[in-house]
Amino acid sequence: DSGVTQTPKHLITATGQRVTLRCSPRSGDLSVYWYQQSLDQGLQFLIQYYNGEERAKGNILERFSAQQFPDLHSELNLSSLELGDSALYFCASRGGDNSPLHFGNGTRLTVT
Amino acid sequence: GEDVEQSLFLSVREGDSSVINCTYTDSSSTYLYWYKQEPGAGLQLLTYIFSNMDMKQDQRLTVLLNKKDKHLSLRIADTQTGDSAIYFCAETARGGYQKVTFGTGTKLQVIP
Repeated sequence: DSGVTQTPKHLITATGQRVTLRCSPRSGDLSVYWYQQSLDQGLQFLIQYYNGEERAKGNILERFSAQQFPDLHSELNLSSLELGDSALYFCASRGGDNSPLHFGNGTRLTVT
Repeated sequence: GEDVEQSLFLSVREGDSSVINCTYTDSSSTYLYWYKQEPGAGLQLLTYIFSNMDMKQDQRLTVLLNKKDKHLSLRIADTQTGDSAIYFCAETARGGYQKVTFGTGTKLQVIP
């Protein structure tokens, strides 16, 4: 158990809808990262937060947004969903500056 | 920009050694990690190495780093069927909660 909690585990929704994915980092970790993993593809970095502030942006679509709250949990909001947004979405947290990422088990999003 | 490359697939017989290779381009890479992803699960940190090290051994796992050639390898001794998974290498630069860049992943198939 990595200590990173993601909910829900599975999500099925229709095109055009909006969903929110939630992540609770390991206790004490200030930094949260979001990644997307599509079928047969590697991990695409979406966005990173540190102590409530956005730190870095990757290949995140304008339809997607995220935030990190004062209690350090983070939410990834996906709107106007398309079939191609179907993927595994992972959250990871990081303790010290140079420590490794610890991943949650992911949220599997299916857009029908 | 940063780029991390891995071969996509490796097949070995149970009991043999597996060697998974990774190359990276960022010369400021300071920390290099190996993660394992089993089907339907998140990424599990296996081991990591600092760039001032050439080798690190942890039970059946041996990590070799050739910093001059920017080449990283993971050797798994006495490979078991439970080692079947996707293996990702990742790199990050030092300081400031830098972005962590992942390779494409190598799918290891262990044949009984």
